[in-house]
Amino acid sequence: NAGVTQTPKFQVLKTGQSMTLQCAQDMNHEYMSWYRQDPGMGLRLIHYSVGAGITDQGEVPNGYNVSRSTTEDFPLRLLSAAPSQTSVYFCASSLNRGIEAFFGQGTRLTVV
Amino acid sequence: AQSVTQLGSHVSVSEGALVLLRCNYSSSVPPYLFWYVQYPNQGLQLLLKYTSAATLVKGINGFEAEFKKSETSFHLTKPSAHMSDAAEYFCAVSYSGGGADGLTFGKGTHLIIQP
Repeated sequence: NAGVTQTPKFQVLKTGQSMTLQCAQDMNHEYMSWYRQDPGMGLRLIHYSVGAGITDQGEVPNGYNVSRSTTEDFPLRLLSAAPSQTSVYFCASSLNRGIEAFFGQGTRLTVV
Repeated sequence: AQSVTQLGSHVSVSEGALVLLRCNYSSSVPPYLFWYVQYPNQGLQLLLKYTSAATLVKGINGFEAEFKKSETSFHLTKPSAHMSDAAEYFCAVSYSGGGADGLTFGKGTHLIIQP
């Protein structure tokens, strides 16, 4: 099993550009989420999904869109990148509530 | 809103010494509590979790944590530090059971091991 796979691992964007961070899991997990990690801030929840077709906002959703058309995939879209979105992004998945969350390796995004 | 506080952004110990990383949560209702470890350029890995079954929780790599309701604490310990323990450690809290949708993280503690 590959677990949680994120692509790309590194990305540099110019302000105003759009892009999609990809996240895929092969564990048939219902729950998936996106976190951003900033120095001295820990990880903060951006968006999450409790199943295909169901998404909701987390603590810091502004500037990000998500959709969940399949159980396996949960892409994160930046419509118009801003320098404040420079961060390391982690995707996580879990089978259900009360079950361990598995994390991807992260995507390091720099917006210049 | 649930929150978790980790005391000390950096902790330095000598190899072989006791490791103590502090975590306090803010709630009158005991939540689910977790410790995650992040090695350089890696994702997060679960060390251990508290789900009310036992107050002393044993995890991987020799780590353990004790839930103290009266102190609202969940400190992480290891009797003897190894060089390989150098990493970032995160305490996290959840009221939904800790699935991918509901974790609130502390700001992290960077553990430095001195030879």
